[in-house]
Amino acid sequence: QSVLTQPPSVSGAPGQRVTISCTGSSSNIGAGSDVHWYHQLPGTAPKLLISRHSNRPSGVPDRFSGSKSGTSASLAITGLQAEDGGDYYCQSFDGSMWVFGGGTELTVL
Amino acid sequence: QVQLVQSGTEVKKPGASVKVSCKASGYTFTDNYMHWVRQAPGQGPEWMGRINPNSGVTIYAQKFQGRVTVTRDTSISTAYMELSRLRSDDTAVYYCARGPGNWGQGTLVTVSS
Repeated sequence: QSVLTQPPSVSGAPGQRVTISCTGSSSNIGAGSDVHWYHQLPGTAPKLLISRHSNRPSGVPDRFSGSKSGTSASLAITGLQAEDGGDYYCQSFDGSMWVFGGGTELTVL
Repeated sequence: QVQLVQSGTEVKKPGASVKVSCKASGYTFTDNYMHWVRQAPGQGPEWMGRINPNSGVTIYAQKFQGRVTVTRDTSISTAYMELSRLRSDDTAVYYCARGPGNWGQGTLVTVSS
């Protein structure tokens, strides 16, 4: 049972827009903690996609954006491409601890 | 560039212990916490704990208290995670992470009789 709640799966056709939600509580996201988003392909480590709610590390396309409100955060992907498929995880902090979502599998139809 | 290189795959029997290493390069090892995260098959990541490489002070997730020990050797810029009294549900990929942007390649630990 993960601390942060994500939908198990989302899907979209190439070129479409999808969003992935991440719901926490007053002890993590709602406490003002940063939210990070990761993309993970099978057999590889999670790769940072969005840091501190909405910042894209170098090399991440601007098709990816993040937002945060209250005890929740969202990741939006526009102009879906085949390589966007895989698992997406949100991560925040509960005090000093990292807390994660259970992951959302994105299928590009 | 920052690199975290972990030790190789481990297969252990229930009740045994495992020690995974994480060698850091490309930055000053003592400048950043080192975290340990595990991911069981088909599940989300799970934070286990962290160490301040400068002071050696550790913090562990309550779930792993008493079973996990994180240490470091600053002379070789390496952090270690030891998990004891292994059970089958400890089968997972174990990662070290300097922060959200820098993760090791992962170490598969399989616990099976």
